[in-house]
Amino acid sequence: EAGVVQSPRYKIIEKKQPVAFWCNPISGHNTLYWYLQNLGQGPELLIRYENEEAVDDSQLPKDRFSAERLKGVDSTLKIQPAELGDSAVYLCASSYRRSSYNEQFFGPGTRLTVL
Amino acid sequence: KQEVTQIPAALSVPEGENLVLNCSFTDSAIYNLQWFRQDPGKGLTSLLLIQSSQREQTSGRLNASLDKSSGRSTLYIAASQPGDSATYLCAVRLEGQNFVFGPGTRLSVLP
Repeated sequence: EAGVVQSPRYKIIEKKQPVAFWCNPISGHNTLYWYLQNLGQGPELLIRYENEEAVDDSQLPKDRFSAERLKGVDSTLKIQPAELGDSAVYLCASSYRRSSYNEQFFGPGTRLTVL
Repeated sequence: KQEVTQIPAALSVPEGENLVLNCSFTDSAIYNLQWFRQDPGKGLTSLLLIQSSQREQTSGRLNASLDKSSGRSTLYIAASQPGDSATYLCAVRLEGQNFVFGPGTRLSVLP
């Protein structure tokens, strides 16, 4: 069974440019998470989806960040315009909500560098 | 607000040694706790998940324990190997809420 898939793995852009990240969760997982991880720190949640509904986006900087999960499967996270401080690793994770364990499974991440 | 800390921030041990990594959390009314490892430049790999009703979980050379009353979890690694070198993170979840991650412990196992 395939794990969580993310693309691209690396992205280098100039500041003020837009950028988008894509995530395909494990098949059957209805919960999808986007995290941001800075160097030497643990991941911080940006947004959590239950199926196609964003149930927690309180930590998403909505002036420049947006996300969608239109059919309740794959998801896209967008930044427009990017700032220098957005350089980080963006991680996607998924879990099966009805499971009593809610164990999270992570993708490899997208490393963003903003110049 | 749940806060999660991990001590030490970094640890270096010789191969074969048994070791303990610590995770502390401020709100003891947790739903579950999950331990991960992260290799450089990679995503997180799930190691063990402990439900609030459990006291420990074991997988191979790994054993994770949970003491909710003291707000602590430990990850015990037996007979460490160089391949265990990675950053180990714990994540704690309150019921109905999101996981909160600690900053991780960077482990180096020297051959």
